[in-house]
Amino acid sequence: KAGVTQTPRYLIKTRGQQVTLSCSPISGHRSVSWYQQTPGQGLQFLFEYFSETQRNKGNFPGRFSGRQFSNSRSEMNVSTLELGDSALYLCASSGASGGGETQYFGPGTRLLVL
Amino acid sequence: GQNIDQPTEMTATEGAIVQINCTYQTSGFNGLFWYQQHAGEAPTFLSYNVLDGLEEKGRFSSFLSRSKGYSYLLLKELQMKDSASYLCAVRPLYKNNRKLIWGLGTSLAVNP
Repeated sequence: KAGVTQTPRYLIKTRGQQVTLSCSPISGHRSVSWYQQTPGQGLQFLFEYFSETQRNKGNFPGRFSGRQFSNSRSEMNVSTLELGDSALYLCASSGASGGGETQYFGPGTRLLVL
Repeated sequence: GQNIDQPTEMTATEGAIVQINCTYQTSGFNGLFWYQQHAGEAPTFLSYNVLDGLEEKGRFSSFLSRSKGYSYLLLKELQMKDSASYLCAVRPLYKNNRKLIWGLGTSLAVNP
């Protein structure tokens, strides 16, 4: 099975712009979670989508939004970018299994905001 | 509140054994995960424990004690490629909220 894919892998934006990141989960997985990772902060949960519905949400401002399509692919959008949004954005997919719905991560999108 | 604690950094020697501890306080418990993350890369799944005891998988083993809110990851016959950050994550058990709670990770340096 192909793994989780994310596009783009690297992105440079300037303050005030908006950005859309894409994630394609492992075939058959219906849950996609998004995380922000910065040095010293660890993995910060953004939101989780399951069957096109947001199932869980982290403590991020409304500038961060997401959606999931019928084929389970997911996008996240960040509007009005700030310098502090520079981070590695990871998506993880999981499917119902005996492994506690283990999350499998994509390679991430490294966003730099100038 | 909910909290996961791991040591920030550890150092070990190639060929040795190292134990990375993780303690947690969460609202209920529904499984504990260990992930490995090399610098600049995504986390990769290592192990999952939901019942007490030791799960062995090659050179890596993971132990869980639910009564103590404690887990450890044991790495044997250390190799240089094991230098990475090791993340502990817990899935709490509360209605309609299944998101993982993540530790900050333990950065392991394996020296020759």
